[in-house]
Amino acid sequence: EDQVTQSPEALRLQEGESSSLNCSYTVSGLRGLFWYRQDPGKGPEFLFTLYSAGEEKEKERLKATLTKKESFLHITAPKPEDSATYLCALSGGYQKVTFGTGTKLQVIP
Amino acid sequence: DSGVTQTPKHLITATGQRVTLRCSPRSGDLSVYWYQQSLDQGLQFLIQYYNGEERAKGNILERFSAQQFPDLHSELNLSSLELGDSALYFCASSVAGGLTDTQYFGPGTRLTVL
Repeated sequence: EDQVTQSPEALRLQEGESSSLNCSYTVSGLRGLFWYRQDPGKGPEFLFTLYSAGEEKEKERLKATLTKKESFLHITAPKPEDSATYLCALSGGYQKVTFGTGTKLQVIP
Repeated sequence: DSGVTQTPKHLITATGQRVTLRCSPRSGDLSVYWYQQSLDQGLQFLIQYYNGEERAKGNILERFSAQQFPDLHSELNLSSLELGDSALYFCASSVAGGLTDTQYFGPGTRLTVL
């Protein structure tokens, strides 16, 4: 069974304080690793898809990277509007996407 | 706005009852997915349809069923409801339903079972 573990569960940053969120995984044949952002009471919003180890993608203050065992979401100089829960998910040998439980990020002005 | 719509937004009902949740995918998307999100759990995959046919099944209870209609909208039916069924139910859609397709999520239906 595919597994996704995200850490930390919660992270509190000062505005401008860069950090990284971790997503470690075990999978039978990785097809894709996804990052989503979810605001309270709303549906997840797609951020990135990574397909193979060594791949990196960037969007504004966010950068996602992938190794054979984990993915990182780097947040550079975060702003309060970056506060949200960030979800990691993957698709592998099973015909479904498996989600982690997320990292709840709070950015304080 | 992802383009995926879900109705109703909120639903309050009693144990033992049956409810139907509705989802309209983004224009052009052929695949629909249903997920359950409880307070302390991540998104749990329930079921996927592609162009009217069931494609994949996750941890969906026998009391739950779904279908996708010719116009591609989908309905999730939940019956004999229990307190533990209270959760957010999300629908997502994708173009073709492949394993690397981007899934776009709707705003969700919050179900409260009293």
